[in-house]
Amino acid sequence: DVKVTQSSRYLVKRTGEKVFLECVQDMDHENMFWYRQDPGLGLRLIYFSYDVKMKEKGDIPEGYSVSREKKERFSLILESASTNQTSMYLCASSALDRGLNIQYFGAGTRLSVL
Amino acid sequence: AQSVTQPDIHITVSEGASLELRCNYSYGATPYLFWYVQSPGQGLQLLLKYFSGDTLVQGIKGFEAEFKRSQSSFNLRKPSVHWSDAAEYFCAVATDSWGKFQFGAGTQVVVTP
Repeated sequence: DVKVTQSSRYLVKRTGEKVFLECVQDMDHENMFWYRQDPGLGLRLIYFSYDVKMKEKGDIPEGYSVSREKKERFSLILESASTNQTSMYLCASSALDRGLNIQYFGAGTRLSVL
Repeated sequence: AQSVTQPDIHITVSEGASLELRCNYSYGATPYLFWYVQSPGQGLQLLLKYFSGDTLVQGIKGFEAEFKRSQSSFNLRKPSVHWSDAAEYFCAVATDSWGKFQFGAGTQVVVTP
């Protein structure tokens, strides 16, 4: 089974702090994704990566950055956390399965910024 | 631009009753479509997928979905709901070759005794 592990289930941070959210996958997937999930808005893509050291902006990259130094690890960074970044953050990874990319998700990190 | 619409934000259904969740998409080419389920406090789990062939696809947990190109729909169904089906359900469409998805806003399903 594919396993996508997010290092923290819950985080509480203060405004202005630098925050790191870590995600590790164990299936040698090329693609990795970071989403935020808010009620009524579904999942919105923040950043994705299709290879080591490669990254692309998603729909809502402002206030975030990412790092992918190794294939299995994709980190989301909040340079200076703000209260409007309080949300559920979901990491996913994917690879081709009979011509189709299927995304597999971690359990999520619920971040509260006070 | 591609989009996915789930018209129902919230559905309440009795245990043992049938369930249908609606999903409409807007996409120029043949879509790759997915349904995911998210139990409380958990990540998303893939229920089923469609990318070609038979328009009625079977998934896990007794769910099925039907792709109707003429209606741009991919509705999810289950004949008899169990209390454990209480969750949020997301429809998604793959939007490019990198495997990016566009998700709907989700439908929250509540199951009553």
